[in-house]
Amino acid sequence: EAQVTQNPRYLITVTGKKLTVTCSQNMNHEYMSWYRQDPGLGLRQIYYSMNVEVTDKGDVPEGYKVSRKEKRNFPLILESPSPNQTSLYFCASNQQGFGELFFGEGSRLTVL
Amino acid sequence: SQKIEQNSEALNIQEGKTATLTCNYTNYSPAYLQWYRQDPGRGPVFLLLIRENEKEKRKERLKVTFDTTLKQSLFHITASQPADSATYLCALLNTGGFKTIFGAGTRLFVKA
Repeated sequence: EAQVTQNPRYLITVTGKKLTVTCSQNMNHEYMSWYRQDPGLGLRQIYYSMNVEVTDKGDVPEGYKVSRKEKRNFPLILESPSPNQTSLYFCASNQQGFGELFFGEGSRLTVL
Repeated sequence: SQKIEQNSEALNIQEGKTATLTCNYTNYSPAYLQWYRQDPGRGPVFLLLIRENEKEKRKERLKVTFDTTLKQSLFHITASQPADSATYLCALLNTGGFKTIFGAGTRLFVKA
């Protein structure tokens, strides 16, 4: 089954404790991206990757890091989480930049 | 700055009627426009894509129009059903499609 898998789905952590949200896709897609979704603000792009070792900033990259060492994986790293990073995070992939985005089920992160 | 606006309030309609959702944008010239459906607690699911040189696209009970002069897209669901109740997101993509901007979404309720 074609899918994008994110882990963890739910996480409560404390300020400053580094965490990684993993994302993996099994569709051999070139393009992957991360979004955060906040009430009233919609989905905002954090980072995107056009291929292995090629990443670029989206609209809200501050406080986040990403890496793309393998085609299927695109982890999101929060080196020192802060409460304003409490949000619902989605990973997505697609074959072409403008094509259908396939989203994961989301990771709800709470930073205390 | 770039801005997308969707119907800010929820839309309530009766089963069997046509639902019309609006997406307006400013300070942007998208090459593509997409519509997604999102159910509570789930990731968005792709519905339709329309290119800047296309005026209208249809898929089963769905129809999307794209007016680059008005900077507006309309999304229609004909013969609506309670199962169509969800949040619908509009997304704009630049040439290449790597940077995607989403609207905050419109919540649709279809009453039986």
